[in-house]
Amino acid sequence: DIQMTQTTSSLSASLGDRVTISCSASQGISNYLNWYQQKPDGTVKLLIYYTSSLHSGVPSRFSGSGSGTDYSLTISNLEPEDIATYYCQQYSKLPWTFGGGTKLEIK
Amino acid sequence: EVQLQQSGPELVKPGASVKISCKASGYSFTGYFMNWVKQSHGKSLEWIGRINPYNGDTFYNQKFKGKATLTVDKSSSTAHMELLSLTSEDSAVYYCGRGARAPGAMDYWGQGTSVTVSS
Repeated sequence: DIQMTQTTSSLSASLGDRVTISCSASQGISNYLNWYQQKPDGTVKLLIYYTSSLHSGVPSRFSGSGSGTDYSLTISNLEPEDIATYYCQQYSKLPWTFGGGTKLEIK
Repeated sequence: EVQLQQSGPELVKPGASVKISCKASGYSFTGYFMNWVKQSHGKSLEWIGRINPYNGDTFYNQKFKGKATLTVDKSSSTAHMELLSLTSEDSAVYYCGRGARAPGAMDYWGQGTSVTVSS
């Protein structure tokens, strides 16, 4: 299985900050990478698909980039409702696998 | 509005089975795959597998073969997952997630069902 690694398990930032969350794959995944947001109440939402495409209804302050094995999610102008845990997920090969998550907190 | 409403929390004994449900509304149920994902307490997400509600075809993560069985009831637009021979390792929150038109993505998720295995 492809291993997805999010080396930063928790991150503290201030409102209005630009935040970048990183994710790396154990092998190249050809941009087949999604990002999800999980709120403290457990609610999960799709943010970004295919590395950089914004899912419908997701604010434009979220963006994604990357290639090969290294990918990132950027939140510009951090807002209170962005407090959550963020997961990357690859779909280059079955079974789909997720990163360990990065928990974003307000400083 | 797309909604996935999952069944309530379950407390089950070791060795037993449990069947949890995910009722879909707001879209054509047979037009989208349904996925299932496990989240053990405080841990990350594991993809269990998916089912095509149109024809019942399934694909399982090898890790969950023999543990999870995915089915659908088209008449009620409900997906089910049965978990077999439960152990403490199966205690987790289980989510259903609709397969997006974009391959590999799950665009709408249920609220999660907590399963606790305890004697």
